Amino acid sequence: AQKITQTQPGMFVQEKEAVTLDCTYDTSDQSYGLFWYKQPSSGEMIFLIYQGSYDEQNATEGRYSLNFQKARKSANLVISASQLGDSAMYFCAVSGTYKYIFGTGTRLKVLA
Amino acid sequence: GAGVSQSPRYKVTKRGQDVALRCDPISGHVSLYWYRQALGQGPEFLTYFNYEAQQDKSGLPNDRFSAERPEGSISTLTIQRTEQRDSAMYRCASSRSFRTSGGASTDTQYFGPGTRLTVL
Repeated sequence: AQKITQTQPGMFVQEKEAVTLDCTYDTSDQSYGLFWYKQPSSGEMIFLIYQGSYDEQNATEGRYSLNFQKARKSANLVISASQLGDSAMYFCAVSGTYKYIFGTGTRLKVLA
Repeated sequence: GAGVSQSPRYKVTKRGQDVALRCDPISGHVSLYWYRQALGQGPEFLTYFNYEAQQDKSGLPNDRFSAERPEGSISTLTIQRTEQRDSAMYRCASSRSFRTSGGASTDTQYFGPGTRLTVL
């Protein structure tokens, strides 16, 4: 079975600063994917970034990067140069054979 | 279509009524997932389809919940004899590739806007 833990229910960051959102996971699968999604107040789920378990390099997508530490089973999301529009709920997820297991989320507030 | 669509966007029903929630995945996407999301929580897996085959329904809470995808495209999640505890956001997601029975998926899922179900 898979499990995702997001220990930060809420985070604040100053505009233009970088912020790290924590995610640890547990899975018995050898091959798996790690995903981050953003959910703004409008409620949509927006895909941000993906990391495969066999990828040796950390994934990057624009201002988003995934700090993947396989031995520690962590997949932290780093947002650089935060913008006001980054204020949202962020969910980490791990893929299993059929299921995707999501964490409870971190609510990020960017301060002007 | 350009993205995953769901209908209705909002559904208010009385306890004991049946409801049917529809999902239209991205064209060509083989895999389709249903999730339930309570307020302030992450999506909770309900069921998964590979084309028209329901490969995993382990997340369905009880036998009042069922889902189908008869032609491998549009899917319907049906809740019979609704109860107040069924109130939640129901989300559908689709992904591109064919899933095998071994190993984990690395597909990116794209979510629909959800159906907000309220049972009075």
